[in-house]
Amino acid sequence: GESVGLHLPTLSVQEGDNSIINCAYSNSASDYFIWYKQESGKGPQFIIDIRSNMDKRQGQRVTVLLNKTVKHLSLQIAATQPGDSAVYFCAENTGGFKTIFGAGTRLFVKA
Amino acid sequence: NAGVTQTPKFRILKIGQSMTLQCTQDMNHNYMYWYRQDPGMGLKLIYYSVGAGITDKGEVPNGYNVSRSTTEDFPLRLELAAPSQTSVYFCASSLSGSPYNEQFFGPGTRLTVL
Repeated sequence: GESVGLHLPTLSVQEGDNSIINCAYSNSASDYFIWYKQESGKGPQFIIDIRSNMDKRQGQRVTVLLNKTVKHLSLQIAATQPGDSAVYFCAENTGGFKTIFGAGTRLFVKA
Repeated sequence: NAGVTQTPKFRILKIGQSMTLQCTQDMNHNYMYWYRQDPGMGLKLIYYSVGAGITDKGEVPNGYNVSRSTTEDFPLRLELAAPSQTSVYFCASSLSGSPYNEQFFGPGTRLTVL
């Protein structure tokens, strides 16, 4: 069935290091992927997206990589800061309202 | 702009009670959504609306009702609260229904049904 999952539920990194958060998806028909950041007590916030016709997209300190061959998505955060501590989850969309959200990975940044 | 606002932030209900979760957006977005987020799970779509007067069921609509009398407001109604409805509820809005249009989320309402 369709699913969006994350390999690691918790990730702990040292401040200044790079973080990599992974996501697996199972629906090969998904053509749009989104990463969200959710801080404690707040709603999800859009970080970056990528369409299926791309392999990589960069934002400010964040990069999303898409590997359609193995149905894998990753979010890379450069020079991780304490303010990056949050739950990150990916979502996939096959068009319209059919967005499937992953459960999330909690990122801890150690000072 | 305040964005998407939700009230209340927290609520405890007894089984069988009813309540309305309020959601308001000031971005003049046509599309609005209600999601629930259970611990360790992804967001699930409850109901959505494509404009004033138009609503439709999402993935998990049972036990809920919605209305959309204005562009700004999209309240979610629980008629007979059940423990299974203990969750965090998020309202969101977007300019259009295209998945490429960013959804803006409210801060959430944490509901506990005992």
